Amino acid sequence: AQKVTQAQTEISVVEKEDVTLDCVYETRDTTYYLFWYKQPPSGELVFLIRRNSFDEQNEISGRYSWNFQKSTSSFNFTITASQVVDSAVYFCVSGYSTLTFGKGTMLLVSP
Amino acid sequence: GAGVSQSPRYKVAKRGQDVALRCDPISGHVSLFWYQQALGQGPEFLTYFQNEAQLDKSGLPSDRFFAERPEGSVSTLKIQRTQQEDSAVYLCASSLPNQPQHFGDGTRLSIL
Repeated sequence: AQKVTQAQTEISVVEKEDVTLDCVYETRDTTYYLFWYKQPPSGELVFLIRRNSFDEQNEISGRYSWNFQKSTSSFNFTITASQVVDSAVYFCVSGYSTLTFGKGTMLLVSP
Repeated sequence: GAGVSQSPRYKVAKRGQDVALRCDPISGHVSLFWYQQALGQGPEFLTYFQNEAQLDKSGLPSDRFFAERPEGSVSTLKIQRTQQEDSAVYLCASSLPNQPQHFGDGTRLSIL
């Protein structure tokens, strides 16, 4: 069984601020994937990143970066210089084939 | 289009009616998944197909829920004798083997 905890229900920032979304996961599997998906107000789920449980290397993609730490079972997501278009619900997800979603963090970026 | 297509986008039904939700996966994607997303919650897994075989249906909440994918492409999620607690967004996703899932826009089901 897997469990994903996103303790932050809602975060509000002003444009250009940096923001970090926290994620803690639980799993008994030795091989698993971790993901982040974005769900803007329009409703579609947009894939952002997938990390393999064996690869703890952090990743940066433009303004996005991810910090995977197996020792603390965390997979945090940072947006640098946030923009209004980043406003959405962000889901941390774990799984290998079927996915287990956290409850999501709603990010509101105001001008 | 190149994405996962779901229809209808919105469905309103009276309690007790049967409903059928359709999913057209991305062409060539062998894996297909159904999720249920209640308001303000994350999606929850319902069932999973690999080609036409239903490999996991452990997430289906009751025997009123039934899914099929007879030719390994289009899938239908059927809910019989709908109840108010079935109101949710139903999401379909598809993927190539060992690749990330791509989601459709979902069907918003409202049971009156």
